[in-house]
Amino acid sequence: TQLLEQSPQFLSIQEGENLTVYCNSSSVFSSLQWYRQEPGEGPVLLVTVVTGGEVKKLKRLTFQFGDARKDSSLHITAAQPGDTGLYLCAGHRVDSNYQLIWGAGTKLIIKP
Amino acid sequence: EAQVTQNPRYLITVTGKKLTVTCSQNMNHEYMSWYRQDPGLGLRQIYYSMNVEVTDKGDVPEGYKVSRKEKRNFPLILESPSPNQTSLYFCASSSRGQANQPQHFGDGTRLSIL
Repeated sequence: TQLLEQSPQFLSIQEGENLTVYCNSSSVFSSLQWYRQEPGEGPVLLVTVVTGGEVKKLKRLTFQFGDARKDSSLHITAAQPGDTGLYLCAGHRVDSNYQLIWGAGTKLIIKP
Repeated sequence: EAQVTQNPRYLITVTGKKLTVTCSQNMNHEYMSWYRQDPGLGLRQIYYSMNVEVTDKGDVPEGYKVSRKEKRNFPLILESPSPNQTSLYFCASSSRGQANQPQHFGDGTRLSIL
């Protein structure tokens, strides 16, 4: 059973379109991180959200942490081919600060 | 350059032949961990270490061993590999195990057990 459910699992869109990726759970997290992984490499941290309702922006990427700290979303505006990759969310549950719980990932392909 | 280095990057071997995947970090991080990544399952933690001589089981520790004799190194040992351990393995480190600390990953080791 995946404690962090990511959706969609796979998304292929045209350059210039907008998209949103979701990361949901029934558990409460003290923080949630988003990573991007490219083929042949390890995941690289994009952002950490800590406070319920928090919104963080990284250029065309907007990350939001749910008010109840059980879910998060990643919105990409005007997607570009360079955004292609596997997007992973990971969270520390409030009852365990030492283990990161990972989602299965969203594979994103942006076609030129 | 700050990095996590894993070796080998690729390995094809046979069932039962002991193997070790090395992991070294140069950031003086206290926390290190091993993950395996399988399609549709995401990253699953095998073992982690909060500091030297302190290791704990993750979600899928069966068939694996680790040691943390020095701060910078955290090898993953497969005493008797089996085909179900064919996977992509990642080592990661962070300055502490607590929330908000970014995990720094190596580039992965692709293991095939025949």
